[in-house]
Amino acid sequence: GENVEQHPSTLSVQEGDSAVIKCTYSDSASNYFPWYKQELGKRPQLIIDIRSNVGEKKDQRIAVTLNKTAKHFSLHITETQPEDSAVYFCAATLNNAGNMLTFGGGTRLMVKP
Amino acid sequence: NAGVTQTPKFRVLKTGQSMTLLCAQDMNHEYMYWYRQDPGMGLRLIHYSVGEGTTAKGEVPDGYNVSRLKKQNFLLGLESAAPSQTSVYFCASSYLGTGGNFFGPGTRLTVT
Repeated sequence: GENVEQHPSTLSVQEGDSAVIKCTYSDSASNYFPWYKQELGKRPQLIIDIRSNVGEKKDQRIAVTLNKTAKHFSLHITETQPEDSAVYFCAATLNNAGNMLTFGGGTRLMVKP
Repeated sequence: NAGVTQTPKFRVLKTGQSMTLLCAQDMNHEYMYWYRQDPGMGLRLIHYSVGEGTTAKGEVPDGYNVSRLKKQNFLLGLESAAPSQTSVYFCASSYLGTGGNFFGPGTRLTVT
């Protein structure tokens, strides 16, 4: 089955700096890669996703890049703000497999004002 | 739209007791899932369903059973609770053919 590894497990940045979180996956057949943000005590919420037919996707201050050859994908947050502080999870799935997501272990991002 | 809802929000059980967690979605999603989240860990899939009347095992199915009698509901049962099942349980749903899971608010379960 799929295995997803996520690094770093914790990340501390100064407000206004950029943050990068990286994930690797094992199953080359995986074709959908979402990112979730989970604030303390809340549900995970989808913030951005990418499919295997594109290499990069942007949405305002967040972007995701995908390298299919190396089997890794990354989340980039620019101009970080204190409200970006949360745990971020990457995931991978093969869309034909019931959309079963395999999650990475999470990254706790702390943005210092 | 309420989205994905879960009941109860909190529950404390004694070892050996049973309970059922209810998940409901009003988005007409085909797929529904149950995950558990343990401290410092990601989400692990317990069971999932690709449509009414169908269920399948995920990564950590032991000790749990599920049913999907109606498209909008997905039930998770614990027949004989164990302390190792202390966790936060999230239900999620998604559209057919897409991967984005929409999560419910979670149920915090403690087994003593």
